[in-house]
Amino acid sequence: GAGVSQSPSNKVTEKGKDVELRCDPISGHTALYWYRQSLGQGLEFLIYFQGNSAPDKSGLPSDRFSAERTGGSVSTLTIQRTQQEDSAVYLCASSRSGAVYEQYFGPGTRLTVT
Amino acid sequence: RKEVEQDPGPFNVPEGATVAFNCTYSNSASQSFFWYRQDCRKEPKLLMSVYSSGNEDGRFTAQLNRASQYISLLIRDSKLSDSATYLCAVREIKAAGNKLTFGGGTRVLVKP
Repeated sequence: GAGVSQSPSNKVTEKGKDVELRCDPISGHTALYWYRQSLGQGLEFLIYFQGNSAPDKSGLPSDRFSAERTGGSVSTLTIQRTQQEDSAVYLCASSRSGAVYEQYFGPGTRLTVT
Repeated sequence: RKEVEQDPGPFNVPEGATVAFNCTYSNSASQSFFWYRQDCRKEPKLLMSVYSSGNEDGRFTAQLNRASQYISLLIRDSKLSDSATYLCAVREIKAAGNKLTFGGGTRVLVKP
């Protein structure tokens, strides 16, 4: 079946502009996660959605970052007033509900802030 | 100390040889463990979950040592196509959610 999809695949933006990144999880997966990966670095957790529960925002690095998930499916990660240090690959993952289920990643959005 | 640590490598492995590497985690409450494979400029792909009793999938064997708080991955009969970065991931069961904490990855280079 279809995997996790993300758009755009690449985004170049000027410092100070806002960007929106989109994630479409695997059908039937109720849990959705956002991570980011800077060049040569490991994955950094950003935010987690599970069904209708309040999201776990503990990984968001600043209040310029926000995310929403509409209708329990598609999610949008918004970065306001982008900074150069926001340049990274933003990865979305989804899983079935529950602690034992594996997460599957989308191809990511490569964000470059100039 | 980082929550999840890996030797970054690279591990240079002759084709056909066996390679093994570990991933240590600091939180004894960690509940679930995974190995992911990541190719250059690609997303991580799930390689295997790690079960308490250890598990094997073809040429890949994963082990969990709770007492010493590490997991391991062993690759037998290495293929050129095994060249990649291997990421371990650890999940803590918290009331608010089940995020994965990733190690920085171990780079493996299989050479002819």
